Amino acid sequence: AQTVTQSQPEMSVQEAETVTLSCTYDTSESNYYLFWYKQPPSRQMILVIRQEAYKQQNATENRFSVNFQKAAKSFSLKISDSQLGDTAMYFCAFGGANSKLTFGKGITLSVRP
Amino acid sequence: ETGVTQSPTHLIKTRGQQVTLRCSSQSGHNTVSWYQQALGQGPQFIFQYYREEENGRGNFPPRFSGLQFPNYSSELNVNALELDDSALYLCASSLAPGQRYNEQFFGPGTRLTVL
Repeated sequence: AQTVTQSQPEMSVQEAETVTLSCTYDTSESNYYLFWYKQPPSRQMILVIRQEAYKQQNATENRFSVNFQKAAKSFSLKISDSQLGDTAMYFCAFGGANSKLTFGKGITLSVRP
Repeated sequence: ETGVTQSPTHLIKTRGQQVTLRCSSQSGHNTVSWYQQALGQGPQFIFQYYREEENGRGNFPPRFSGLQFPNYSSELNVNALELDDSALYLCASSLAPGQRYNEQFFGPGTRLTVL
């Protein structure tokens, strides 16, 4: 069974600054994906970025990038140039065989104007 | 192409009642997964349906059951509701499960409150 751990319950960042959200996971699978999802107060789960485990290169999507350390089973999300619209809950998730997702507990990110 | 839709948006029930939640999958998707998200927590996998059969189940009791229809839409049924069943229920659709992960697309969720 997989586990995903997000140990920081909440973080706050000043607008335009950079923030890093931490995530660790555990699995015995060799072929899997890792994800960061954003969930604003509207409740819609929005995919922010994903990383395929077999790819060594860290994924990047505009202001969002990850630091994927496979041996350490670590998967952090860096948000550059934070914007007020980034305020939301962020979930780290593991996706393996059968397309089932295992989520962490989430972190509440607040961007201050 | 239509996205994943869920109904109803909100629902209030009392302990012991039964509830049915509905989900329409995204066009072209034949797999539906259901998740329960308690307040302030991450979603937890309930079960997945593929080709109208249950294809994997999380740690939920049998009073949580589901159906998938030929058009790939799905229902989640919960019997004998308990207070702890109060949560946001998320549905996600994807392509057929296999050896590799297929991206899931989430609906907006149904907020269930049990009094």
